[in-house]
Amino acid sequence: KAGVTQTPRYLIKTRGQQVTLSCSPISGHRSVSWYQQTPGQGLQFLFEYFSETQRNKGNFPGRFSGRQFSNSRSEMNVSTLELGDSALYLCASSPDRGLSRIETQYFGPGTRLLVL
Amino acid sequence: QQPVQSPQAVILREGEDAVINCSSSKALYSVHWYRQKHGEAPVFLMILLKGGEQKGHEKISASFNEKKQQSSLYLTASQLSYSGTYFCGTLDHGSGNTGKLIFGQGTTLQVKP
Repeated sequence: KAGVTQTPRYLIKTRGQQVTLSCSPISGHRSVSWYQQTPGQGLQFLFEYFSETQRNKGNFPGRFSGRQFSNSRSEMNVSTLELGDSALYLCASSPDRGLSRIETQYFGPGTRLLVL
Repeated sequence: QQPVQSPQAVILREGEDAVINCSSSKALYSVHWYRQKHGEAPVFLMILLKGGEQKGHEKISASFNEKKQQSSLYLTASQLSYSGTYFCGTLDHGSGNTGKLIFGQGTTLQVKP
């Protein structure tokens, strides 16, 4: 099975711009979570989507948003970019078979965003 | 509440053992361990579940003490390939299922020849 894929892998933007990142989960996985990784803050949860609905949300400002499509692919958007948004953005997918079982998250390679 | 990992960094020689600890101030229902090499995605190693079930990597073991709200990852006879940053993640139980993992700050492990 192909792993989680993310596009683009690298991105350079300037302050005030907006950006959209894409994530394709492992085939058959229904849950997609997004994380921001920075040297200072580590791995921080952004949000999770399941069945096209945001199921969980982290403590990030409203400039960060996302969505999920019917094929489970997900996008996240950051509007009005700030220098502090420079980070590695990781998405992770899990099967979530709806059995109340705790399952593994599998990470994609990430998108490295640099805001100038 | 973010789990706390210790130590922050460790340097080993090949063949030596290491233990990485993960503590939480909240009740733990599961602990998820990942390893991340520089410039790569975190790779799943192991899940420890409340009740003792353990699933994961064949050459790395772990323990889960529910009463102490702690987990420890044991790396025995370390190999060069073990180098990387190890993260523990705990499930925010209020979220249901696996959607919202809260990660520790990471432990950097360097294995030297």
